[in-house]
Amino acid sequence: GAVVSQHPSWVICKSGTSVKIECRSLDFQATTMFWYRQFPKQSLMLMATSNEGSKATYEQGVEKDKFLINHASLTLSTLTVTSAHPEDSSFYICSATPPAGGQETQYFGPGTRLLVL
Amino acid sequence: EDKVVQSPLSLVVHEGDTVTLNCSYEVTNFRSLLWYKQEKKAPTFLFMLTSSGIEKKSGRLSSILDKKELFSILNITATQTGDSAVYLCAVRDTSYGKLTFGQGTILTVHP
Repeated sequence: GAVVSQHPSWVICKSGTSVKIECRSLDFQATTMFWYRQFPKQSLMLMATSNEGSKATYEQGVEKDKFLINHASLTLSTLTVTSAHPEDSSFYICSATPPAGGQETQYFGPGTRLLVL
Repeated sequence: EDKVVQSPLSLVVHEGDTVTLNCSYEVTNFRSLLWYKQEKKAPTFLFMLTSSGIEKKSGRLSSILDKKELFSILNITATQTGDSAVYLCAVRDTSYGKLTFGQGTILTVHP
């Protein structure tokens, strides 16, 4: 199946710093990627939809100035958590959909665990 | 607002048992329903359902969708300890493919 990678898989940072997470589709081009956040023992919550070459679409309640999304190419989307605080500690997961055939299936990256001290 | 509700929230069984996980949904523009298995990392895809009444099967797992009653079930027969995971149900709308997830069912299979 399609492969989506994320980097880093783990990050620990101090409060107030910014953290960048990369999401790559390795064997297909993705015009749309999705960013989710998952707190312990909770389900995945969609944060934003990343569109190649245009601005991301954020879900209600997600601060666009805090969670900067850049989808500069058809295989890479980045999520930057700016001025991270302990409450931003979470599991961040991206997903992408192959462009043709099996279009409905979203493939998830392995996730990035963020711990803000 | 789209909504997905899964039940039960958790389930503990013994190896060899059969389990049925439920997913009901409310979505403005339904396109598909997907089942995922999550074990400590990101979810892995199990099934995608778009049509009512057509069972999808993969080994001991099977799933079916009822678009009239707005629900789906995921069956696992002859459960094994390796089936222990969180099972997530999600619905996809027609706008641009975003998924709305249910809260998940935590399945624990004891030897």
